[in-house]
Amino acid sequence: EVQLVQSGAEVKKPGESLKIACKGSGYSFSDYWIGWVRQMPGKGLELMGIISAGYSQTKYSPAFQGQVTISADKSIGTAYLQWRSLKASDTAIYYCARQGEWLAPFDVWGRGTLVTVST
Amino acid sequence: QSVLTQPPSVSGAPGQRVTISCTGNIFNIGAGYDVHWYQQLPGTAPKVLISDTKNRPSGVPDRFSGSKSGTSASLAITGLQAEDEADYYCQSYDSDLSVSVFGGGTKLSVL
Repeated sequence: EVQLVQSGAEVKKPGESLKIACKGSGYSFSDYWIGWVRQMPGKGLELMGIISAGYSQTKYSPAFQGQVTISADKSIGTAYLQWRSLKASDTAIYYCARQGEWLAPFDVWGRGTLVTVST
Repeated sequence: QSVLTQPPSVSGAPGQRVTISCTGNIFNIGAGYDVHWYQQLPGTAPKVLISDTKNRPSGVPDRFSGSKSGTSASLAITGLQAEDEADYYCQSYDSDLSVSVFGGGTKLSVL
């Protein structure tokens, strides 16, 4: 079964760093792109950026450029989303999703990782 | 504010037909880029409903259909059912931003 398994929920304080993970299985991880999508409480979907899992080429949406880092380790079939200094406004559900080709739809989604940033 | 504009909400009675619009510009839908549609049921991850403007992935009922004209795309749902109550999002590539973008989402209520 093709699936993306995301790491568990996180509770952090403002200013702390965080790295969440997304592990692909049931397919050739390196042949696909992985996207990270933010969904703030009660709000819509926002594409943060994508990474080619095999080459680690990244593309960030302008609003997220410089705010987060997307990376991948193809040897263990895992993509990551990282923050250096969290803000309360980073509280959201973060989904990873698989994309077959450039401009293809995101056809497989993880269940999401809830990140809560609060004092 | 997304570059793809969707109505915040639509509603319809069971059995009726509803459409959800997705309005873009000359850099995305108007440039010829395909549109994908996603359904997000409450408390779950999104699921692709329509790919490449009008294609239904395996398992998606033929009550769902997609189309595009000019700078806009539409998702049509016929024979509305209670289980269709969800949020719907369009997605397309934007050549000005050089990334794919999602529409703001539309909440479908089945009366």
